[in-house]
Amino acid sequence: ETGVTQSPTHLIKTRGQQVTLRCSSQSGHNTVSWYQQALGQGPQFIFQYYREEENGRGNFPPRFSGLQFPNYSSELNVNALELDDSALYLCASSPNTGVGETQYFGPGTRLLVL
Amino acid sequence: GESVGLHLPTLSVQEGDNSIINCAYSNSASDYFIWYKQESGKGPQFIIDIRSNMDKRQGQRVTVLLNKTVKHLSLQIAATQPGDSAVYFCAENPNNAGNMLTFGGGTRLMVKP
Repeated sequence: ETGVTQSPTHLIKTRGQQVTLRCSSQSGHNTVSWYQQALGQGPQFIFQYYREEENGRGNFPPRFSGLQFPNYSSELNVNALELDDSALYLCASSPNTGVGETQYFGPGTRLLVL
Repeated sequence: GESVGLHLPTLSVQEGDNSIINCAYSNSASDYFIWYKQESGKGPQFIIDIRSNMDKRQGQRVTVLLNKTVKHLSLQIAATQPGDSAVYFCAENPNNAGNMLTFGGGTRLMVKP
């Protein structure tokens, strides 16, 4: 196990609703990255938080937003849910943000949008 | 855009045989490459990594080979076991993107007893 935990494990929402997903990073890690993994595909980078600030963002619309707290846990918020948002949402923590800093993934939250 | 991709979606091998999973990447600015294993219902698990200044790195039963000339990465698993059955992803880390990763599409490895 990586020590990265996510909640909830599964979630069902309807189109137009909002959702908040949570992630607790591994002890000693100050960086959390979020990824979206559609069925049968590789994870896609959403954004990264480092010391409570957004440190980088992938090609996702502004309705995907996040937070990082002083204890380095993090939230992913998605507004105005669309059917295509159905996916496994993964968070990964790392000790820092440098190239080569290994990311350790949690088990994911599976979101289904109806 | 630049991306990491895999040639084969599914690889089936006999238990005890060696497995080779391939990956092509297109971003010549990538400095760091990682292989992850993902079992059903779980998050990706780090297997092995390699930096761009190396062409080979060995772990326990696994070896990663990097050919920068043709932008190719491979994962070799020796004496494949049923527990190796999973989806394998390669990921690249461009040198101007911190440790943010670009993943390929994955290869499913199935080990026959």
